[in-house]
Order: sequence, then structure tokens, then C-alpha cells
Amino acid sequence: NSKVIQTPRYLVKGQGQKAKMRCIPEKGHPVVFWYQQNKNNEFKFLINFQNQEVLQQIDMTEKRFSAECPSNSPCSLEIQSSEAGDSALYLCASSLPGQGIYEQYFGPGTRLTVL
Amino acid sequence: GDSVTQTEGLVTLTEGLPVMLNCTYQTIYSNPFLFWYVQHLNESPRLLLKSFTDNKRTEHQGFHATLHKSSSSFHLQKSSAQLSDSALYYCALSVSSGSWQLIFGSGTQLTVMP
Repeated sequence: NSKVIQTPRYLVKGQGQKAKMRCIPEKGHPVVFWYQQNKNNEFKFLINFQNQEVLQQIDMTEKRFSAECPSNSPCSLEIQSSEAGDSALYLCASSLPGQGIYEQYFGPGTRLTVL
Repeated sequence: GDSVTQTEGLVTLTEGLPVMLNCTYQTIYSNPFLFWYVQHLNESPRLLLKSFTDNKRTEHQGFHATLHKSSSSFHLQKSSAQLSDSALYYCALSVSSGSWQLIFGSGTQLTVMP
């Protein structure tokens, strides 16, 4: 069973409001991924970190989304100005690379609803 | 770019019958990593199977799959479906492009009827 912790489980925001969610990766996992799963169950990769450094992020993340993984603190994903289209399940996954394979373990997710 | 194709959006079968969910992938990288994740209703995806070895069968919790690089396939199979197997199943690809992000297929909803 995954030991990735995500808070809050549910988040309701109005359009234009900030939305912030947090993730504590599984202990000892240096790599963290954020994905968005929309209402059609489609996944979109947002950003990932190795320790505190960004490995890759998509354009959407570079504009309204910000994320960080400070040392000794939870990772976070924040939407600066929420839009209706941001309503989705936000999934955090962590990974301990072994044999070159980055198998990812997901947390329970934060379900964001933008009214 | 890299992609994963799951041809069946919805599979319905009777308990006890065999399960086979199709997965093919496209990538320019010669060493892809393939995964199957299962997502039950109102839960997050859970890793079911993984493989990076060509032609080697991998098994877990009654499910099995074999990565065939020659046909770019990683089909999921189970000999006898159970009611509790009803869930969304995602095939996913990861490659050494630097980010190691998962590229998911569109998913197959498996419904097992009594």
C-alpha cells in the first residue's frame, strides 16, 4: 500500500481564488510527480522533482501553477487563480528509482472543485 | 511522441471467465518501462504490474503480463475474473527522456458480473 500522504482530500474554490494542496512522499523517495486526472479520467503530467530540483514541467504549470518540494517540508502544488477547467483530481506520486525503473506510487489525491 | 493505446474502453464479462486487456505502445526509446495500474471507484491508481524485460512474464495478485518489444505490447491477463476485479485499468509507459513521467493509456473499465 502506498504511503504517500496528500492533503486536503477535498478542496472547493471560487474562480480566481488560490488553491493549494500538499504532498508528503513516501519516506526515502527522492522523486515526486504531480498529475491531473480530469473528469474523463485522462491523466496529465504537471511537474516532477528530484529532491528539491524541478526535473520537468509542462507549460500549464509554468503559468498559473506553481510547485515546490522544500527539504524537510511537504511538497506543494498551488494554482494562483483557479478556473473552472482546473476542477480535477490532483495526484501526487513518489518514486525510489531502482535498476533505472521509476515505478510510481500514488497518494489518495486532492479533488479540487472550482465553482 | 510517446503514446499508449488501450483499444477497449469498456469490457464486461462474467465471473470466472478469463480477462485480457490490450495495451500497445509507441516510443523511440529502446528500453521502455511498462506498467499496469488499477483504479477502483473513488480511489487513486495502484500499481499492479511492471516490466522492462523483453519476453519475461510478470505476475501479481493473479494478473500477469509479458512485455513484447517486437510487437510493442503489454497485454494484461487473468485466468479467472472475480467480482472484486471490477475497476479502471490503465496501461502506462515510462521512458528515459529525462523526466520519467508516466504516459497513460485511455483506460479500460472492467466490469465483472455475477
